[in-house]
Amino acid sequence: KAGVTQTPRYLIKTRGQQVTLSCSPISGHRSVSWYQQTPGQGLQFLFEYFSETQRNKGNFPGRFSGRQFSNSRSEMNVSTLELGDSALYLCASRTGTGGTGELFFGEGSRLTVL
Amino acid sequence: GENVEQHPSTLSVQEGDSAVIKCTYSDSASNYFPWYKQELGKGPQLIIDIRSNVGEKKDQRIAVTLNKTAKHFSLHITETQPEDSAVNFCAAPRGSGSARQLTFGSGTQLTVLP
Repeated sequence: KAGVTQTPRYLIKTRGQQVTLSCSPISGHRSVSWYQQTPGQGLQFLFEYFSETQRNKGNFPGRFSGRQFSNSRSEMNVSTLELGDSALYLCASRTGTGGTGELFFGEGSRLTVL
Repeated sequence: GENVEQHPSTLSVQEGDSAVIKCTYSDSASNYFPWYKQELGKGPQLIIDIRSNVGEKKDQRIAVTLNKTAKHFSLHITETQPEDSAVNFCAAPRGSGSARQLTFGSGTQLTVLP
């Protein structure tokens, strides 16, 4: 069974630009969560989608948004990029929702904002 | 909300020795406590988890103990090997119902010296 796939793996943007990251979950998984990982803040929860609905949202500004499609694939978008948005963005999928059960992470998309 | 504190931030041990990493949580309603391992360049991967109805769980060289009264849980790795070197994260659920999501500790960089 294929794992969680994230694209692109690496990208460089400049301040003020926007970026869209994509995540394909494991087949059959309907929940997709997004995390931001930085050396100083660790793993910070962004949001979770289940059956195309946002179930939960972390403490991030409105510049961070996401969506989920009917095939469970998800995208996240960051608009008006800031230097502090440089991070590894991790996507994780699982079968259900509710805070329990194994999360299967992708390898991440590393964003550098110049 | 849930706050998960993890100690130590770095841990170096000699090959064959044991390693212990500790986490505390604040939400007494938390009932699920996973540990994830992240190797360089990869996403986190579940290594063991425990639910609140048991005090200890073991899987070969890895064990997790839970003290619900004191609100802390620990990861124990025995007979450490160089391939155990990674960043380990504890986590606990935050929120309620289907909106619950995992909050991660700040991570422990474990280095096993040959």
